[in-house]
Amino acid sequence: QKEVEQNSGPLSVPEGAIASLNCTYSDRVSQSFFWYRQYSGKSPELIMSIYSNGDKEDGRFTAQLNKASQYVSLLIRDSQPSDSATYLCAVNGGSGTALIFGKGTTLSVSS
Amino acid sequence: GAVVSQHPSWVICKSGTSVKIECRSLDFQATTMFWYRQFPKQSLMLMATSNEGSKATYEQGVEKDKFLINHASLTLSTLTVTSAHPEDSSFYICSARDPGQRGQPQHFGDGTRLSIL
Repeated sequence: QKEVEQNSGPLSVPEGAIASLNCTYSDRVSQSFFWYRQYSGKSPELIMSIYSNGDKEDGRFTAQLNKASQYVSLLIRDSQPSDSATYLCAVNGGSGTALIFGKGTTLSVSS
Repeated sequence: GAVVSQHPSWVICKSGTSVKIECRSLDFQATTMFWYRQFPKQSLMLMATSNEGSKATYEQGVEKDKFLINHASLTLSTLTVTSAHPEDSSFYICSARDPGQRGQPQHFGDGTRLSIL
């Protein structure tokens, strides 16, 4: 059974701080990794994708991948109250199949 | 970017009614679409995988006769909740993988909030 694990949180950070969200996955052959953001009462929104070991930056967001450790993370710099949401880590489960989602980490940014 | 349109956004209806939800991929062709259900403060739950031109694959515990899925074209999948009851009230979200994007990420519709009285 392929699994994706995340701490459920809540992760609380003050405005302006760096929020660090972590995820581990079980399938060693996974090649594609995604982060989604889900606001309360809304559907998930794709915010980052990463495929190679190392860092990928997009604005205030940085995704980090370490395939040897089967570990993916998302850093949010200069956190804003509007970043308060649940962040879902997802891993490609194979062609034609749904992505494998973690249960999500709830982030709360206080002003 | 890839857009998935879902409607209606809200449905309120009486117990025993059947409700149809539509999901369209607007700027890409999706051979595979997915239907999820989410209860308040809970995780996404995959209900079924919808394949264009073939029968849907349902997750364990999901009644296929209760939740009818039709994937009639490469851009349209529908979910019909038959004879809905209050326990079917939930947030239903469709999703489609974009075959043109690396890794084929899933893009989600805005969801349908279903309330059965």
